[in-house]
Amino acid sequence: QKEVEQDPGPLSVPEGAIVSLNCTYSNSAFQYFMWYRQYSRKGPELLMYTYSSGNKEDGRFTAQVDKSSKYISLFIRDSQPSDSATYLCAMSAGLTGGGNKLTFGTGTQLKVEL
Amino acid sequence: DAGVTQSPTHLIKTRGQQVTLRCSPKSGHDTVSWYQQALGQGPQFIFQYYEEEERQRGNFPDRFSGHQFPNYSSELNVNALLLGDSALYLCASSPKRGSWADTQYFGPGTRLTVL
Repeated sequence: QKEVEQDPGPLSVPEGAIVSLNCTYSNSAFQYFMWYRQYSRKGPELLMYTYSSGNKEDGRFTAQVDKSSKYISLFIRDSQPSDSATYLCAMSAGLTGGGNKLTFGTGTQLKVEL
Repeated sequence: DAGVTQSPTHLIKTRGQQVTLRCSPKSGHDTVSWYQQALGQGPQFIFQYYEEEERQRGNFPDRFSGHQFPNYSSELNVNALLLGDSALYLCASSPKRGSWADTQYFGPGTRLTVL
């Protein structure tokens, strides 16, 4: 079993839709949670960074972390064709938790159609 | 503010050869991590350097080695290349200390093809 599970998709939605992306994990030591966006053949771009449980909002993006369920989500409101990319969840135990190497999900491929 | 830079962009090698990839971290960052991303997969952690020493290592063989220089830039070396080493190699940088110490910023990657 992988430490981080993520549905690879592809996920296709119409422009303007609310998108929900999710990851589950098994390592209780994870306390830092990130979402990256990766366009084809490019490096991952940091979208959201969250520590421990709770919600964080940034523009059209909302990240949620439920440590009790070992479940994290990213919501995209008013989705745009430019949001079409692969979304990677990533997590770490942190420098004080034994090391901040990132463990990634496989990524969910999102396509927002006109 | 320059982000993370990597060179070269693309590289083609044959089995058994050796390759060196280079990375310059984001301004103000002193920690460099390397990841391997196979097609259709998430990045896999190779190792992390700060203060010119390897601090953490993932499940990669000794054929993968690295170095960090006094200016914080880093190299990834892979010896005895295998077909399975074909991937996008990503460098990420982060500050060692401070509230953002656990946030990593990625470069554009080096695409390595082994024939």
